[in-house]
Amino acid sequence: EVQLVESGGGLVKPGGSLRLSCAASGFPFSSYDMNWVRQAPGKGLEWVSSISSTSSDVYYGDSVKGRFTISRDNAKSSLYLQMNSLRAEDTAIYYCVRAFFVGAIIGGWFDPWGQGTLVTVSS
Amino acid sequence: SYELTQPPSVSVSPGQTARITCTGDALPKQYAYWYQQKPGQAPVLLIYKDSERPSGIPERFSGSSAGTTVTLTISGVQAEDEADYYCQSADNNGTYYVFGIGTKVTVL
Repeated sequence: EVQLVESGGGLVKPGGSLRLSCAASGFPFSSYDMNWVRQAPGKGLEWVSSISSTSSDVYYGDSVKGRFTISRDNAKSSLYLQMNSLRAEDTAIYYCVRAFFVGAIIGGWFDPWGQGTLVTVSS
Repeated sequence: SYELTQPPSVSVSPGQTARITCTGDALPKQYAYWYQQKPGQAPVLLIYKDSERPSGIPERFSGSSAGTTVTLTISGVQAEDEADYYCQSADNNGTYYVFGIGTKVTVL
């Protein structure tokens, strides 16, 4: 069974940092591009970042560019998101998602989604 | 920046057909995908590559594409289909993903 399990969320003060992790199992992790998608309370889905299967290419949404860093460790089947300079508007559930390739790193679909980890930025 | 436009809500009676549209300028070039999200749960893929249905997704869910508009159709709506539905795609240059605002489907 394909599984994605996020961890590392919690309460952090504005300006603080947090590192999210995602443990993948049930599929050849090193063969897939991976992503983070977030959802603020009561709001819609927002793509955060993508990383290619070999880590050669990374992409970020405008709202997190320069503050967040995506990375992966294929030997550990793990995906990470280092979040710095956190703001109140970063408060959200962060989902780890596997991406399916359609000829470009950006353009495929997300399946499955982890259950998410909640990040709350508040003083 | 690029946006996908969805109606915020759709209401439908049980057994009827619900149609949710998603409009975007890059849709003739980029595939669209649909997700269902129920309260307190993670999204689930419903449709990929405009009209393909993953295994395990009921046949009453279908997708279609025409120019800058893609449509998710739910035929014979059931009470369990009450949920939020999101379309997803990418910009023309393949540099970022985008989601629609989500459509809340209410089964009357």
